[in-house]
Amino acid sequence: QVQLKESGPGLVQPSQTLSLTCTVSGFSLTSYNVHWVRQPPGKGLEWMGRMRYNGDTSYNSALKSRLSISRDTSKNQVFLKMNSLQTDDTGTYYCTRDYDYWGQGVMVTVSS
Amino acid sequence: DIQMTQSPASLSASLGETVTIECLASEDIYSNLAWYQQKPGKSPQLLIYDASSLQDGVPSRFSGSESGTQYSLEINSLQSEDAATYFCQQHHDYPWTFGGGTKLELK
Repeated sequence: QVQLKESGPGLVQPSQTLSLTCTVSGFSLTSYNVHWVRQPPGKGLEWMGRMRYNGDTSYNSALKSRLSISRDTSKNQVFLKMNSLQTDDTGTYYCTRDYDYWGQGVMVTVSS
Repeated sequence: DIQMTQSPASLSASLGETVTIECLASEDIYSNLAWYQQKPGKSPQLLIYDASSLQDGVPSRFSGSESGTQYSLEINSLQSEDAATYFCQQHHDYPWTFGGGTKLELK
């Protein structure tokens, strides 16, 4: 069955870089797009960016200068890196297969 | 960016009632709209895609419709497990954008 699972550090210091991994199973990264979406505590959802099935990427312009998405198809993994983190980057980060399947999310707290 | 204006922000209803949640898109999104249910501490679960198609495994009391750029989610015969927050999302154009959410409380 289709599964996505996010992993990464729960705590990041301000101004540091966040690195998250999305490990997928049940489908191929060369056939489906994978997106990153985040949600601040108690708030709504924000689309961050996308790794297309062919390796192309798209980013939310609000985050583009800080964000990078890459992948390793041999490991069925998609990676998110975002630099210059601030406290308002605190939240739950999800990877999704297009709009149908979502991972469980990983909570990231930006704090010193 | 396409703006999704969702209403109401919160809603209280009784078991067995019918409720409607709406999302207004700032431009034509050509039915590229999904509805999600999210419970506390959980990831969003897809209910409806392409504005009116029911995701596999979702009860038939959930339905979606559209009129122009206005999209609606209707929940019939409310059950206790329907207490959650509901979001709409347009996937017509990047950046994908979400409505602000509707918190549904059961009386």
